[in-house]
Amino acid sequence: ETGVTQTPRHLVMGMTNKKSLKCEQHLGHNAMYWYKQSAKKPLELMFVYNFKEQTENNSVPSRFSPECPNSSHLFLHLHTLQPEDSALYLCASSPVLGLFYGYTFGSGTRLTVV
Amino acid sequence: ELKVEQNPLFLSMQEGKNYTIYCNYSTTSDRLYWYRQDPGKSLESLFVLLSNGAVKQEGRLMASLDTKARLSTLHITAAVHDLSATYFCAVDVGNAGNMLTFGGGTRLMVKP
Repeated sequence: ETGVTQTPRHLVMGMTNKKSLKCEQHLGHNAMYWYKQSAKKPLELMFVYNFKEQTENNSVPSRFSPECPNSSHLFLHLHTLQPEDSALYLCASSPVLGLFYGYTFGSGTRLTVV
Repeated sequence: ELKVEQNPLFLSMQEGKNYTIYCNYSTTSDRLYWYRQDPGKSLESLFVLLSNGAVKQEGRLMASLDTKARLSTLHITAAVHDLSATYFCAVDVGNAGNMLTFGGGTRLMVKP
């Protein structure tokens, strides 16, 4: 257990479904991130939140909608996904942007879109 | 656009042998990180390198950073099976810090 908890661990959804991924950290960190890890591709940064404010949207399609209600929780709302969106979605946190500690990662949600 | 390239992408080696994984990146940065990922698991932080010439060692792994060459190396000494995993380097070029771009990973298999 790294201190960053992601649920669910596995998710299978149809292209017309709506689902949400959840990330929670109790490390006292103030920056949270969503990354996508696809087979044969490097990890791709999707979104960055710093003190609940979104600071980065890396040209992510609108079918992915992040939400950060507080510094401890981060959600990724999914709707009308495509099969190519199947991947491992990783949440990470760091103390704060601007300090170079790197990330603490969660275990990820393995998403399959059918 | 920042590119981070690792090589080799796959490495199979015998226990007891030494080898080096290379991480090249395309833009100026003096902040580089190494992570380890076991199959089905999360990424675990290994090293944080924050200046030119930085060298960090933990057990059989040693990482170094040459910012002028835009190169980091992860050296494995006398490999053991437990080191089998995928290793990622990540470069931070964000103006605000902690915006990591990852390499494609090096999958290491250490055979008994």
